[in-house]
Amino acid sequence: AQSVTQPDIHITVSEGASLELRCNYSYGATPYLFWYVQSPGQGLQLLLKYFSGDTLVQGIKGFEAEFKRSQSSFNLRKPSVHWSDAAEYFCAVGGGGRRALTFGSGTRLQVQP
Amino acid sequence: GAVVSQHPSRVICKSGTSVKIECRSLDFQATTMFWYRQFPKQSLMLMATSNEGSKATYEQGVEKDKFLINHASLTLSTLTVTSAHPEDSSFYICSAREGPKLSGELFFGEGSRLTVL
Repeated sequence: AQSVTQPDIHITVSEGASLELRCNYSYGATPYLFWYVQSPGQGLQLLLKYFSGDTLVQGIKGFEAEFKRSQSSFNLRKPSVHWSDAAEYFCAVGGGGRRALTFGSGTRLQVQP
Repeated sequence: GAVVSQHPSRVICKSGTSVKIECRSLDFQATTMFWYRQFPKQSLMLMATSNEGSKATYEQGVEKDKFLINHASLTLSTLTVTSAHPEDSSFYICSAREGPKLSGELFFGEGSRLTVL
């Protein structure tokens, strides 16, 4: 069975500081990995995805993530956080085709001025 | 990018009534759609997989008779919450994958917030 763990429930960073959100996954084959962002009461927006190839993936809004197979991790990073980045972030794993994504429990990001 | 539309975005109903939520893929054909449920400040839990022209596949613990899913066309799936009760109040999100591509990015709807009084 596939699963995703996001160890940090809540993170607070200062505006302009760097950010790293952790994600560990369990999947029996080569995973498809995703990071989504959700603002309160809204749907999900895809930040980036990894299917294969280069393990460092660039996404929208200045986010990037690195796939590390040996650590079963897919951590999300941003060098300088903006106040508008405050939201809930979900890591997800899936196998494509007719299979659904499995989501982590989410990390709520607060940005201090 | 592809767009998935959900309607209604918010619905309030009385206990015992039924509510239908629509999920449409606007610019692509979706052979598979997924319905998720999200409680406040929690993650998305998969409820069921909706396949066009066949019965939905429900996750363990999800009542088939309470959450009726119909995927009658390649662009529309509906979730009907029957005889709704306050504990059914939640945020329901659908997602769709274009065709059977293996590199499957899922496109998500904006969600539907159901409040049962």
